[in-house]
Amino acid sequence: DGGITQSPKYLFRKEGQNVTLSCEQNLNHDAMYWYRQDPGQGLRLIYYSQIVNDFQKGDIAEGYSVSREKKESFPLTVTSAQKNPTAFYLCASSIGRREAFFGQGTRLTVV
Amino acid sequence: AQKITQTQPGMFVQEKEAVTLDCTYDTSDQSYGLFWYKQPSSGEMIFLIYQGSYDEQNATEGRYSLNFQKARKSANLVISASQLGDSAMYFCAMSQPISGNTPLVFGKGTRLSVIA
Repeated sequence: DGGITQSPKYLFRKEGQNVTLSCEQNLNHDAMYWYRQDPGQGLRLIYYSQIVNDFQKGDIAEGYSVSREKKESFPLTVTSAQKNPTAFYLCASSIGRREAFFGQGTRLTVV
Repeated sequence: AQKITQTQPGMFVQEKEAVTLDCTYDTSDQSYGLFWYKQPSSGEMIFLIYQGSYDEQNATEGRYSLNFQKARKSANLVISASQLGDSAMYFCAMSQPISGNTPLVFGKGTRLSVIA
């Protein structure tokens, strides 16, 4: 079955650590996106990539980094510079003008 | 800049009744797409319905319909014959321009609770 896989489902980060969230898609979609969702809030764009080896900052890119070395993969690194990383992270992909497909999400907690 | 406004933080509806979730948007462009997503407590985002700015007919998908009023810049979601499984967060989103792989901009959502 085609889809988007995010891992892990739950992630715990210690203060000062970098952590990487995985996002893989087998839909052959060109574009991929990372969103952050805080409780009771909508989704805010962190980074997006429209083609391999290219990506753009979203509204809240500070403290995050991404790479797009393969069409299928768009990992997100939450760096120690992100002071309030506890949130729900959603990865999505799309092609053309149609709807974006989302992964199941990763819940990140700082301990 | 694009902006989506959902003014109803929470809504209640009786099972089998219809409910309308409000969405207004702000854009200066003529070309855009409007989307509704459902987010159950599990967290996944489920696509419900899409309306292009040039579409003359209101979009419908089963029990979901989109009441598109371009002059008012509103794109309300109507759910007919509500079911208990409809209880979830609902998000309105916009993409601009209508073509190409551009990110969606989301509203803050409406939490719908269906009462038996």
